[in-house]
Parts: sequence; structure tokens; C-alpha cells
Amino acid sequence: DADVTQTPRNRITKTGKRIMLECSQTKGHDRMYWYRQDPGLGLRLIYYSFDVKDINKGEISDGYSVSRQAQAKFSLSLESAIPNQTALYFCATSRGDQPQHFGDGTRLSIL
Amino acid sequence: DAKTTQPTSMDCAEGRAANLPCNHSTISGNEYVYWYRQIHSQGPQYIIHGLKNNETNEMASLIITEDRKSSTLILPHATLRDTAVYYCIVSDYKLSFGAGTTVTVRA
Repeated sequence: DADVTQTPRNRITKTGKRIMLECSQTKGHDRMYWYRQDPGLGLRLIYYSFDVKDINKGEISDGYSVSRQAQAKFSLSLESAIPNQTALYFCATSRGDQPQHFGDGTRLSIL
Repeated sequence: DAKTTQPTSMDCAEGRAANLPCNHSTISGNEYVYWYRQIHSQGPQYIIHGLKNNETNEMASLIITEDRKSSTLILPHATLRDTAVYYCIVSDYKLSFGAGTTVTVRA
């Protein structure tokens, strides 16, 4: 969905580095979400936000932090990356309880 | 969130209807049934959702049993581009993805 843009698309980094993944949307949606997907598995919710400055933990928030400084932007940070955080990361948006729209994902590899 | 049970995989002939079952026996009254699909490693794509009534859109139909404990997603005329992993999710707003059903459409 081109209205939900994730950057970078691919990233390779080393253990211990700080990493930020960015998500921006032009849909005007109030809610934004971060998920991770491991090979062969479904997506798991990391954090979600209902509005600017609203932050809620998801299923697997340990080792991650997020920031929602503007309605259109939701960033995910790994303060000190570790190899088991290697995964595919997806951002999603929704208008209230309406269905979520996903970005194309960021493939993150931590060596 | 209520859990769902889906078959691991299924095949479908191109041009035929694909019927994807989903069991969600512990669904609560305010939870919707959502269907998404994921092609390769792309972002999941929303297909359809419903609460009690059957629903139809340009992509698919959703049949929900009267007791809401199971549902079926119907792709009326499957094409090769419908090959994907299909996820059935019951939720109020926080989506919880299981392993889904890998659907392979064969020519």
C-alpha cells in the first residue's frame, strides 16, 4: 500500500547498534501499529498508537521503543539490537476500528 | 484475543471457487472476524470482515455461522494471483495473526 511508507526497506547492522525504522502515512488515519514477522510465522504486534503521544504495548514490546510525534509518523527503535531481532517489520494504519492497511515492510538483519 | 484454527494448506484449481474454513469457538460478542492475505513477504492485504451477517465485496464473500463459532472465506473464481497465505483473525482492533492457510492455486 503506497499510502503507508516504510524506510528503510532493507537494513543490515551489527549487534549493539541503535536502529530506527520509520513509518509515514498519507491516509490521515489516527491509529498506527508496528508488527514483526519471523520466517514461517504470522505477524506479532509490538506497539500501537491511537493518536499523537499515545503509546501502547503490544504482545512483544521488550527491546523496542516507539515514538508518535505527528499523526502521520510512527517510528520504531531498537536501542541495542540483538540477532534474535532479525525479522521482517511491518507498519500498519487504521481509521479507528476499521481494517488496517500495511506498508511493504522493512527487512532487518542483525549480525 | 480469541484464537482461530485454520487448515495449514490447501490447493485450488484456477477458475474454481476456493472455500477457506476457520474455527473460532471462543469468539466474544464484540469481536469481528477479519480476513487478510499475504503474498510472498509483502505487507498483509485486507480482504473482508464481518460481525454477524454474511458479507460480500469485490474480492470475496464471508459466511459466518449463526453461532459465530466458525466462518468461511469464499474466493469465487480463484486465479493464480490468489496464491497466498490467508489469515483468519478474530479481534476488536488488535490483530493477532496465527500461521494462516497457505493457498496454492493451480492452473
